[in-house]
Amino acid sequence: DADVTQTPRNRITKTGKRIMLECSQTKGHDRMYWYRQDPGLGLRLIYYSFDVKDINKGEISDGYSVSRQAQAKFSLSLESAIPNQTALYFCATSDQWTSGRANEQFFGPGTRLTVL
Amino acid sequence: GNSVTQMEGPVTLSEEAFLTINCTYTATGYPSLFWYVQYPGEGLQLLLKATKADDKGSNKGFEATYRKETTSFHLEKGSVQVSDSAVYFCALSGGTSYDKVIFGPGTSLSVIP
Repeated sequence: DADVTQTPRNRITKTGKRIMLECSQTKGHDRMYWYRQDPGLGLRLIYYSFDVKDINKGEISDGYSVSRQAQAKFSLSLESAIPNQTALYFCATSDQWTSGRANEQFFGPGTRLTVL
Repeated sequence: GNSVTQMEGPVTLSEEAFLTINCTYTATGYPSLFWYVQYPGEGLQLLLKATKADDKGSNKGFEATYRKETTSFHLEKGSVQVSDSAVYFCALSGGTSYDKVIFGPGTSLSVIP
């Protein structure tokens, strides 16, 4: 079984709809991240969380919100989807930082979201 | 702030050719450096890493050396295979920020038989 899972894998929705993307992990990591991937732009950080009570904005948090329901679950919401949020979304986890691990990220398979 | 620059793709090589993908970074302090690979339809996975200057990361025939004097971490492989076709991302973490990983834009590699 995959260590980091994302649901759904694909989603097509319409402008203005509320969408939730879910991420679950069995790695036992405290740190979880949401990224979006756009061609030519690499991965950009949306939100990250270091434990259930810790939520931090990334570089492109506008238009998104998150919820850390448990150590193993981290969901991303688009309250009112717009077409320029069409992208590939990845969840990732990492263990506590050490000089050896250095925030090594473990990624889910991604969710392809299309907003019409 | 911290940033990563990669050579633009796409890169197309014949099987058994030599591969170099250039990566340079800007960071204060002493970051750790990574190469991640994304195969078609999959998420990213760590290919190799180096956590201090002059370290060499290696995996699956790929190598990269952490060069602090040139702020570079170029990815190399002596003989590529069709199965190496993927997108490669250079990334860094640490320095003055231990919270996040900064990714480059990615370089798409296609290897043709």
